[in-house]
Amino acid sequence: EIVLTQSPDFQSVTPKEKVTITCRASQSIGSSLHWYQQKPDQSPKLLIKYASQSISGVPSRFSGSGSGTDFTLTINSLEAEDAATYYCHQSSSLPQTFGQGTKVEIK
Amino acid sequence: EVQLLESGGGLVQPGGSLRLSCAASGFTFSSYAMSWVRQAPGKGLEWVSAISGSGGSTYYADSVKGRFTISRDNSKNTLYLQMNSLRAEDTAVYYCAKDRRYCSGGSCRALNLDYFDYWGQGTLVTVSS
Repeated sequence: EIVLTQSPDFQSVTPKEKVTITCRASQSIGSSLHWYQQKPDQSPKLLIKYASQSISGVPSRFSGSGSGTDFTLTINSLEAEDAATYYCHQSSSLPQTFGQGTKVEIK
Repeated sequence: EVQLLESGGGLVQPGGSLRLSCAASGFTFSSYAMSWVRQAPGKGLEWVSAISGSGGSTYYADSVKGRFTISRDNSKNTLYLQMNSLRAEDTAVYYCAKDRRYCSGGSCRALNLDYFDYWGQGTLVTVSS
């Protein structure tokens, strides 16, 4: 099973600040890494597919990068509505797995 | 518009059974693999099980293997999760999620999973005496 480890677990950030979340895979997964946003009491929502590909309707301040084992989700100029927990997810091999999540709080 | 509506959650005693359903609409149901993903209270996401578009291939997380059975009825556009021998640690919100990869014909027999482009709103399962 591929283990995904996110860091940090929690981040408290001021609006307009830049947020960087990393996701490390226990073995190479190419670019089969995707990011989701989950707000309280809501279902997860796809943010980024295949490490760096944008999703229609997702604000351009969200971007992703990386390949192999190391990946990054960046939120440029954080807005209040971005308060949520962010998860990475790998579809390279079964069982599919998720990172433990990174909670982003707005100061 | 794609919609996934889960139902069937509730309170069940340890050792009991429950069947979850996920009614799908807005897309050709039989052309997409589907998964169940759960989230224990205050915890992260855990992938539970997946089924190919035709229903011919399935896969389970080790934590539920031998206790849970995933199935689908493509004539009713509905996904199921039969949960037996439930434990306290199965307490969670269960989401059904649509795989983004389209399949047709013979390719729908295989389980080629990708990312999830749509999620349901979830149904809560509580296992407690």
